[in-house]
Amino acid sequence: ILNVEQSPQSLHVQEGDSTNFTCSFPSSNFYALHWYRWETAKSPEALFVMTLNGDEKKKGRISATLNTKEGYSYLYIKGSQPEDSATYLCALTDSGGSNYKLTFGKGTLLTVNP
Amino acid sequence: DAGITQSPRHKVTETGTPVTLRCHQTENHRYMYWYRQDPGHGLRLIHYSYGVKDTDKGEVSDGYSVSRSKTEDFLLTLESATSSQTSVYFCAISEYGGGYEQYFGPGTRLTVT
Repeated sequence: ILNVEQSPQSLHVQEGDSTNFTCSFPSSNFYALHWYRWETAKSPEALFVMTLNGDEKKKGRISATLNTKEGYSYLYIKGSQPEDSATYLCALTDSGGSNYKLTFGKGTLLTVNP
Repeated sequence: DAGITQSPRHKVTETGTPVTLRCHQTENHRYMYWYRQDPGHGLRLIHYSYGVKDTDKGEVSDGYSVSRSKTEDFLLTLESATSSQTSVYFCAISEYGGGYEQYFGPGTRLTVT
């Protein structure tokens, strides 16, 4: 079982703050790294899928970077808004066995206070 | 939104009974997945399918079986439900597999008493 770790487990910020969190993963047999946003009482929604070392993706105020050599990815949120409150999940696909499946981290719960 | 439905959405059942959950998609995606969500564990893969009649185990497959007889349907069966299988179950689909986005269904809340 792959070890995908996210930190911090939870985070409280004020509206307007910028924030970031980390996903760490085994760097061997890397195939793809996913970020999902999961609001309470809803289903996870894909934010980004990154496959190349040095990849940077951006969607509005949210961006992500990837370092496959050292095994980490950062998710950044600029100017947090209350509607950004959610759990942010990262997930790894590796090429060591089946490259069809994802292993998820436990998530970072972000709360943005107005 | 991707066309994924799950049925039932809520179910209460007794220990020892068999239960089948259904995932139905209208996107014609090749890959389908079943996850369970538990506090402190996040999402864990139960089984997945990479084509009709092609399935494989995930990390928490004990006590579960799956079947996929057509592209649009992926069934998850709890052969003899236990209280440890009380959870929220999510189905997901992907067009091209692990390097591409997954789209999740609305979830099924299962309680085993």
